[in-house]
Amino acid sequence: KQEVTQIPAALSVPEGENLVLNCSFTDSAIYNLQWFRQDPGKGLTSLLLIQSSQREQTSGRLNASLDKSSGRSTLYIAASQPGDSATYLCAVRDYGQNFVFGPGTRLSVLP
Amino acid sequence: EAQVTQNPRYLITVTGKKLTVTCSQNMNHEYMSWYRQDPGLGLRQIYYSMNVEVTDKGDVPEGYKVSRKEKRNFPLILESPSPNQTSLYFCASSLRMYEGDPYNEQFFGPGTRLTVL
Repeated sequence: KQEVTQIPAALSVPEGENLVLNCSFTDSAIYNLQWFRQDPGKGLTSLLLIQSSQREQTSGRLNASLDKSSGRSTLYIAASQPGDSATYLCAVRDYGQNFVFGPGTRLSVLP
Repeated sequence: EAQVTQNPRYLITVTGKKLTVTCSQNMNHEYMSWYRQDPGLGLRQIYYSMNVEVTDKGDVPEGYKVSRKEKRNFPLILESPSPNQTSLYFCASSLRMYEGDPYNEQFFGPGTRLTVL
């Protein structure tokens, strides 16, 4: 059964730092991997989607990579801002037709 | 505006009283799905639908029913709610859901916070 973990569970950084969030999954047979952000009490906002055949995707200050063979993805956030404070979730779609989410990384960017 | 809508946004009910949470999308998406989010357990998939009249179980389907009679709507039905179904529920949709398809990105609704007393 697919399991997704995220490290670290929480992260606090000063504004302007570059940071990396990690996502690991146990079964490399995936359709895609998607990164989301969730603000407290709110829904999920899609950040980046990486197909199984892709190695990375970029959107503005965000860059996500995927190494399917090792079961890892990283989300790189450049020049962090207080508005980036949120919980970041990764989710994989596997061949069992299920979406499996990681527990999330809670990010605080201090002004 | 392209969106996924859920109603109600907040609901307090009592054990055993049947309820339905509606989900609607206006993007002509084929794939729709329901999740619940609980502290310490994260988001877990309840049911999903690949298209009209095609539904299947996710990881935690017990105590829930769904139907997909129209493409835009995917209601979640709790026939006899229990306190352990108190949770934050999300509906999501995607244009399609095939490997490598650039349109398999999921979009989420705002959530429904359900409390069962």
